[in-house]
Parts: sequence; structure tokens; C-alpha cells
Amino acid sequence: AQKVTQAQTEISVVEKEDVTLDCVYETRDTTYYLFWYKQPPSGELVFLIRRNSFDEQNEISGRYSWNFQKSTSSFNFTITASQVVDSAVYFCALSVSTSGTYKYIFGTGTRLKVLA
Amino acid sequence: AAGVIQSPRHLIKEKRETATLKCYPIPRHDTVYWYQQGPGQDPQFLISFYEKMQSDKGSIPDRFSAQQFSDYHSELNMSSLELGDSALYFCASSLGIAGGYNEQFFGPGTRLTVL
Repeated sequence: AQKVTQAQTEISVVEKEDVTLDCVYETRDTTYYLFWYKQPPSGELVFLIRRNSFDEQNEISGRYSWNFQKSTSSFNFTITASQVVDSAVYFCALSVSTSGTYKYIFGTGTRLKVLA
Repeated sequence: AAGVIQSPRHLIKEKRETATLKCYPIPRHDTVYWYQQGPGQDPQFLISFYEKMQSDKGSIPDRFSAQQFSDYHSELNMSSLELGDSALYFCASSLGIAGGYNEQFFGPGTRLTVL
């Protein structure tokens, strides 16, 4: 089965705290792709990062960092020194193919509230 | 840079009416996807098109149909609307040629309210 689990439904932190959003995936494919998207209160889905199954190198982009571990099927996302503008719902997604083209299976999302 | 365009942004319909949602993908993108996001839910895949041909189908009701036209824009047609169809409908586009590696770019969504 192809599945993405985001066990944290909602997280609240105080500004400047670090926060990690968890993502666990299931797939039988040997080649697969993982993504993180941000959905702010305005509703649009904003692409944050992509990772393919052959690239376990962790990545840092400003205050954002991602930890991909195939051994635990996890692709976690950390925000350092959180800001109020980080408040949003964050979705982890697995790109899967059933007929040659790809579609996303999303996790249920984690709502992050950053309090001033 | 050009983004995915969706129209209308908001739509209010009565039960049993029909609705048509439009999507204009990013230029040169060859794959279009439709997703439905209910209140407090994650987006669910409905249907996709690659080079104007339907390429995959998800949990799309039989009351819904979609197509992609020669100019690559896509339309999602919804008939016999039900209260449960109230949701945010996203269109996304990508370059399909590289498979699942290329990210999907999402439009702003159409918020459909069925009364």
C-alpha cells in the first residue's frame, strides 16, 4: 500500500522555538519521490522541497531543514527559530504512479501555530 | 513567472445544479491534475491528463467529468451537485516527461459551496 502518515495533527509553539514536523511513508516502489507543501491560511499550496529515494542527503534552506531516512521511511521537516508567518498547514506527499503518470498521495497535514 | 490559473475563484451553487471549473496550466507543462480538498482534509486526487489524454483516475464521482483541450487548458464539469461536493478544488500542472520527480505547481483553487 502507498500511504503517508503525519501523526501530528496540530502543533503550537512560541515564536523563535524550533519545531519538527514528522512524516512517515509506505511504498513498495524502489524509486519514489517525496515532497513537502505549505498551505497558509489563504489556501494555496506552496511547494517547499522534493526528495527522491536515491538521495538521502539532508538539506538546509535558510531556517528550513529536511531529514530523509530510508531506514525508518521518514522525511521530517524542521523549522528553526519559527516565526508567526510560518503558521500554516504543512503536507507531506508521496508521488506514486499507477498508469505511467504520477499523482500525489498526501498525508493528513500538520497544522502549525506559531504564537507571538 | 506564470502560474497555474483557475477560474472562478469562488462559486456558489444550489443542490442539483451543475458547475464548470477551469484550469490554465503553466505554459509548456504537459500534465494537468485535479484534486479535491474538503474542509480540514488533505487534497484527494481526482483525475489527470497527459498531453490531452486522460492518464489516471482517482476517486472521482461519476457525476464529474473532465477534459483537456487542444490549448492544454482543462475543465472539470460537475453535475447534480450535492452538499458534500462543497470543497476547495485545486488544479496542478507539471512537466510529466520526467516522471514523478518534477513537482506539481498548484493553482489558487476554486472554492465551491453547494447550498
